[in-house]
Amino acid sequence: ETGVTQTPRHLVMGMTNKKSLKCEQHLGHNAMYWYKQSAKKPLELMFVYSLEERVENNSVPSRFSPECPNSSHLFLHLHTLQPEDSALYLCASSPSGGEQGYEQYFGPGTRLTVT
Amino acid sequence: RKEVEQDPGPFNVPEGATVAFNCTYSNSASQSFFWYRQDCRKEPKLLMSVYSSGNEDGRFTAQLNRASQYISLLIRDSKLSDSATYLCVVNRVGDSNYQLIWGAGTKLIIKP
Repeated sequence: ETGVTQTPRHLVMGMTNKKSLKCEQHLGHNAMYWYKQSAKKPLELMFVYSLEERVENNSVPSRFSPECPNSSHLFLHLHTLQPEDSALYLCASSPSGGEQGYEQYFGPGTRLTVT
Repeated sequence: RKEVEQDPGPFNVPEGATVAFNCTYSNSASQSFFWYRQDCRKEPKLLMSVYSSGNEDGRFTAQLNRASQYISLLIRDSKLSDSATYLCVVNRVGDSNYQLIWGAGTKLIIKP
């Protein structure tokens, strides 16, 4: 399935590096999301964009910086990360938000290791 | 009380058996409910939405009980390929219309 793609699939970075994660959705959806999934923990919502406007920021540290240049692309810029930031980072999209929650479709994720 | 609660399992079930999971949610105003499955080290994939009238998709049946605030997933004639973690998801009602609340998941292991 290629509805939502993410690159890179794996990333190892040092604490002083700067890197970016990329997500692209081909589903014509209006909303895009970044999630963090640590081992044996529920999904943690980080950011939500709707029609390129950030609508949610769940108290995420400033070392994570999202960017949504258009409704099909979403980036997560990373800098001066900590080892505890190592996790699976998932991008998702949905038709919209609205009063009801819409089902979300996920990309394959980027497995990030911070050394 | 957690917003969405699931039994973490694991459920160890022989192939061919029927298995059922329940999930409880705390906000009675929630309107959207989903089951996702997540394979090890993979992304969650939508299994089915849960409708008020209940719905069935092949061997999978989902039910919603609004009075008791739980949803259920029944898997009949389980296959080895059903081994995965099953995530219960409910929409958050309130300030945010974009958030889905994710359960921690129930791990299912189908044994030959």
